[in-house]
Amino acid sequence: QQQVKQSPQSLIVQKGGISIINCAYENTAFDYFPWYQQFPGKGPALLIAIRPDVSEKKEGRFTISFNKSAKQFSLHIMDSQPGDSATYFCAARVSGGYNKLIFGAGTRLAVHP
Amino acid sequence: GAGVSQSPSNKVTEKGKDVELRCDPISGHTALYWYRQRLGQGLEFLIYFQGNSAPDKSGLPSDRFSAERTGESVSTLTIQRTQQEDSAVYLCASSLGLARDEQFFGPGTRLTVL
Repeated sequence: QQQVKQSPQSLIVQKGGISIINCAYENTAFDYFPWYQQFPGKGPALLIAIRPDVSEKKEGRFTISFNKSAKQFSLHIMDSQPGDSATYFCAARVSGGYNKLIFGAGTRLAVHP
Repeated sequence: GAGVSQSPSNKVTEKGKDVELRCDPISGHTALYWYRQRLGQGLEFLIYFQGNSAPDKSGLPSDRFSAERTGESVSTLTIQRTQQEDSAVYLCASSLGLARDEQFFGPGTRLTVL
């Protein structure tokens, strides 16, 4: 089954703290795992992405950790800032296809000053 | 350069009416995707185009939904005989091609069916 389960649904973090969002999947036929950031009234924008042959990818304050055997991946936001307050979506791309993304339900992050 | 644009930004319609939603992809992007985002939920894949061909329409929720694309530019998503459950934000995305990873999203059209 092609599903991506995301948790938590919402998250409140103090400024400077670490935000952690988790995703899990069942189907192994995924070959690309992007995270998207969405601000109210805007479309999602790619934040960071990873392929299953890599266990971790870091870009600035954002890190993806990928556990292939557990079929889980997570987004860590270090030194969280109020400007990071947004909804975050994990996704997985169906391999061998046409760039079809299966999205998680989203996590609404609020970073308090 | 310009990003993906969608129009209208908001659409309120009465149940049973037909609506057309428009998407202008980034120039040069051959692949185009439509998604639906219900309130508080993730994005649901509807259909994709490579050029003006749509090889997989299985994501369309019902036969009331259809989409077309003119060449490698504008796409329209049409919903006939709208129902209240069609209320959602409809997002369009484009990418350089199907083999290219990043999908660039437009701001979406918020559809409300009364």
